[in-house]
This record gives sequence, structure tokens and C-alpha cells, in this order.
Amino acid sequence: NAGVTQTPKFQVLKTGQSMTLQCAQDMNHEYMSWYRQDPGMGLRLIHYSVGAGITDQGEVPNGYNVSRSTTEDFPLRLLLAAPSQTSVYFCASRRQGHTGELFFGEGSRLTVL
Amino acid sequence: GIQVEQSPPDLILQEGANSTLRCNFSDSVNNLQWFHQNPWGQLINLFYIPSGTKQNGRLSATTVATERYSLLYISSSQTTDSGVYFCAVELGDYKLSFGAGTTVTVRA
Repeated sequence: NAGVTQTPKFQVLKTGQSMTLQCAQDMNHEYMSWYRQDPGMGLRLIHYSVGAGITDQGEVPNGYNVSRSTTEDFPLRLLLAAPSQTSVYFCASRRQGHTGELFFGEGSRLTVL
Repeated sequence: GIQVEQSPPDLILQEGANSTLRCNFSDSVNNLQWFHQNPWGQLINLFYIPSGTKQNGRLSATTVATERYSLLYISSSQTTDSGVYFCAVELGDYKLSFGAGTTVTVRA
């Protein structure tokens, strides 16, 4: 049981490039989310999804796109990378509803030059 | 949105000491979790505790939902307890909000 798997673990981009951070979970969780973590600021919610075909914005959605075509996968897309998007990104999932534990992937460290 | 405040921001402990971390939140919540982020960056679930008291080994947590706070107790601290402890809460809007964390350093 792999849990929540994120790829890649490290990535360096140039300003203006695009890329996709992949997230997959094998726990049949309906809820999935993306967070970014910056020094001294805790984790901030970017986007979330409560099921296949349903996504919504979190606290800091600008510059990011998401889609949810399957229960298992929830990719995060950066269309025009900017230095302000240099951060560590975490994907997380939990069962359906508002309760229950949130389980995190190991994170993806992104640097935009 | 909901405000989450953690205290203290930093804590230095001698191995074997006990400590209490606090999480205050600004509204009624239906979800509260404590996480430990280890020095390698991994986020590990400690407790799912929207109310009541739970214990897991040397760690325990209490949430008093009516007074909008939660406490995490670390007893007989070990160097492996070092890292950042986060409290996260949710109003029921699918948006789990994190506090800024308490950085714990346990010295041998």
C-alpha cells in the first residue's frame, strides 16, 4: 500500500516554463488537495477536489490549474512558472466528507529561476 | 477564514523533559489534526482530535472545542521528537487551515 505518491521529488524550472506535479493515491479516497509550504508560513491550500470531476480553489490558487479525471490522480499544473512559485508542494488525501485524517505525500521541491 | 494560532513558536527541550504545545482557533471546527514534520520534511499524522482526549505512547492531545483550543503533550521527550508540530483545523468547508507551527528541538 503506497499511500500518496508524488512525482517528481525535485524540479528546477526557468521562469515562463510549464510543468505538472503528479499525485496519485491508492486508498480510494474521494478528497484530494494540494498545499504549498514556504519558510515560516506553514502550509497553504492551493486547490482541492471532493471527487472525480469536481475541483475548487483554496487559499492561494492563482498560477495553478488542477483537474480530477479519476479518483486516484490529482495533478497540479503550473502554466507559466514564476520565481514566487518556488516552494515545497504537498499532495494530500482523505476519505469522503469533512472528517477523518488527512494523509500527505512526501512533497515535491520546486525551484523557479 | 478561520485563524489558527500556535504557541510557542519555538521550544528547546532537554531530553527527558515534558512539554505542552497549544493551538487556538477562531471558530467552531469539525476537524482538527496534529501533525509532526520531521527534519526530512515528511508530514506525519499524530492525532485526529476534533474533541476529547487521545493518547499514543508518549504523546497525548486534548481538544476543548467549546473553548476553541487544543493541546499537544510530549512526555519524556527524545531527540527523535525534534521537528515542527502543526495544528490544522477545518470549518466544514473542505479547507483544512494550518497554523504556523511550533519548532521543537530536543537536545541530548
